[in-house]
Amino acid sequence: QLQLQESGPGLVKPSETLSLTCTVSGGSISMATYYWGWIRQPPGKGLEWIGSIYYSGSTYYNPSLKSRVTISVDTSKNQFSLKLSSVTAADTAVYYCARLRQTLTPAGDHADAFDIWGQGTMVTVSS
Amino acid sequence: QSVLTQPPSVSAAPGQKVTISCSGSSSNIGNNYVSWYQQLPGTAPKLLIYENNNRPSGIPDRFSGSKSGTSATLGITGLQTGDEADYYCGTWDSSLSAGEVFGGGTKLTVL
Repeated sequence: QLQLQESGPGLVKPSETLSLTCTVSGGSISMATYYWGWIRQPPGKGLEWIGSIYYSGSTYYNPSLKSRVTISVDTSKNQFSLKLSSVTAADTAVYYCARLRQTLTPAGDHADAFDIWGQGTMVTVSS
Repeated sequence: QSVLTQPPSVSAAPGQKVTISCSGSSSNIGNNYVSWYQQLPGTAPKLLIYENNNRPSGIPDRFSGSKSGTSATLGITGLQTGDEADYYCGTWDSSLSAGEVFGGGTKLTVL
């Protein structure tokens, strides 16, 4: 049974870089059709997609965060990572990693779904 | 402000049926498939519906999804107190700001 687990510091200072890792167990990160994504949820608010990566290293990011986000993958460790630079209090949130099943129809429509999620990790930005 | 619009809250009595709407545009729901997620208090979201109306293994048939034009709907029948949760719709947005998008979420209260 595939499982995802986030890890990283729970407290980051303003202007510094937030770094998180997601470890995939019970299956390979190098599966075709699946991307791997990061989603965050500020306290009391909704979900915000941050970005996604394929095992080959191909990435795409939320345009509103793109200038500050880097997502990378390490297939040898079955992990993928998130770096968010120049953080402020607005980046305080629960950060989730998830598997993204992405399918393109012949018409070019996306049939995407985050089908497996990690438990999430709270990151607070504060001095 | 979310790209997809959901009602902030809905409520119904145990045993009853409830629907949750998700409104978008031609750049997202209108031309892509919709998924739905359930987030129980203090837990991670869980996939309920994918590709508009398909349920993953283990999701009871009390949960259903549909899509028409630029809107999608999640239906829950035979409501149980354990269904109290936040529900989110999601899809791909093909606009200039392309990427995965979510609705703002709907809090379901089972009275």
